[in-house]
Parts: sequence; structure tokens; C-alpha cells
Amino acid sequence: GNSVTQMEGPVTLSEEAFLTINCTYTATGYPSLFWYVQYPGEGLQLLLKATKADDKGSNKGFEATYRKETTSFHLEKGSVQVSDSAVYFCALSALYSGAGSYQLTFGKGTKLSVIP
Amino acid sequence: GAVVSQHPSRVICKSGTSVKIECRSLDFQATTMFWYRQFPKQSLMLMATSNEGSKATYEQGVEKDKFLINHASLTLSTLTVTSAHPEDSSFYICSARDLRWDNSPLHFGNGTRLTVT
Repeated sequence: GNSVTQMEGPVTLSEEAFLTINCTYTATGYPSLFWYVQYPGEGLQLLLKATKADDKGSNKGFEATYRKETTSFHLEKGSVQVSDSAVYFCALSALYSGAGSYQLTFGKGTKLSVIP
Repeated sequence: GAVVSQHPSRVICKSGTSVKIECRSLDFQATTMFWYRQFPKQSLMLMATSNEGSKATYEQGVEKDKFLINHASLTLSTLTVTSAHPEDSSFYICSARDLRWDNSPLHFGNGTRLTVT
């Protein structure tokens, strides 16, 4: 079956530090890959996505590249801010044959804390 | 933008009682909604896929009679935890996709923290 493995947290960084959160996946076929973010007290939001190999998703200074050869989708940001403190979830989407819609498989989430 | 409203955000109930959680798409229609459960330090686990006008599709290991799902309209799905027990305490999240857009992402509710005492 499909699975997503992301680095364990929590991750604590100083403001303006470089961020990498590793994510690798196992899937049949060609899934789409996502990063979701959950800010304190809020629901999950889509941060970025990539739908095919070598695609790069980007948003709010975050980037992730769909690497089929290494089955990875690592999240990076060059300079984190305190407002980036949140839990980040890597996910993959595969077609859910029963309903003709897509089913997400999530990683465990990585909590990021950015200190001033 | 599209919003999914989930209610209640927190609920505390006694063992043996039932709890209903609502998931509404506020400004779009969704024939399919998904229900997830998250244990502490665990992944979000898909519990079931809720289909408007038909029976929900449950993932392996999820008890259908325990977690009743009803998707009566294109904007509302409900999850009822029946005869709740302390081990049902968890964080439940619903999601839905806007049918108007082929490539629409999933929109998530804010989640419901269930505590069974």
C-alpha cells in the first residue's frame, strides 16, 4: 500500500535559519505529492503540491521538488520566520478507485518551532 | 475561498454515550467527503469516504457500526461515534473537494477534539 515517511520532530530553529523537512514515499503508479500545514488552532491548509516527477511546488517561500528516482519530496525554506511555526504534513494522493476521487495518505507530521 | 466548517471543535462525553460531528462545505458542493482520525504523534489515518446519497466506504479496521457516517446532502456529512469509549478519544478531521474545479485541492475542517471520560 501507499505510505509516507517524514522526519520526526519537533524541529526548533532560530529565525532566518534554513529549513529542511525530509519526506519519502512509497506508492504504486504516479501519485501527486503535497505538503499541508497546520497552524496552531487552525485546520490543515495546502501549502504546495507537485503532480509529476521533477515538478517543483512553491508557496510562501517554501519549496519541494518531486524526485521520482529517490521517491522524495523534501520541504525547504531558505529563511524561516516565527510565523512559520506550525505542524507540517507530507502527503501523497492516489486515485481512489471506489469513488473515482483521490485519497490522501499522510505522514505523521513534523512540528516546527521558530524562535526569535 | 472554499471553506469547510467542522463542528464541534471540542467535545467531552461520558463513556457509553454517542457523539455527532458535522462537516459542512460552506460555499461549494462536495459529493465526496473524507473523515480522518489522528492519534497523538501518529499520522492522519483515513477512516472512511463519505459519498452523498450512498453508503460510506470504510477503511480496513474501522468499525462501521461504531463510526456511523451520513452524507445526506452535497454540503453536509456527519460522523457519529456510537457508544463512545476512552479509546475513541482522538482528533477527527473531515475534508472535501470543490467539484467545480478539476484540480481542486482538498479543503479541511479545523478538526474535532473528542475526549471520552
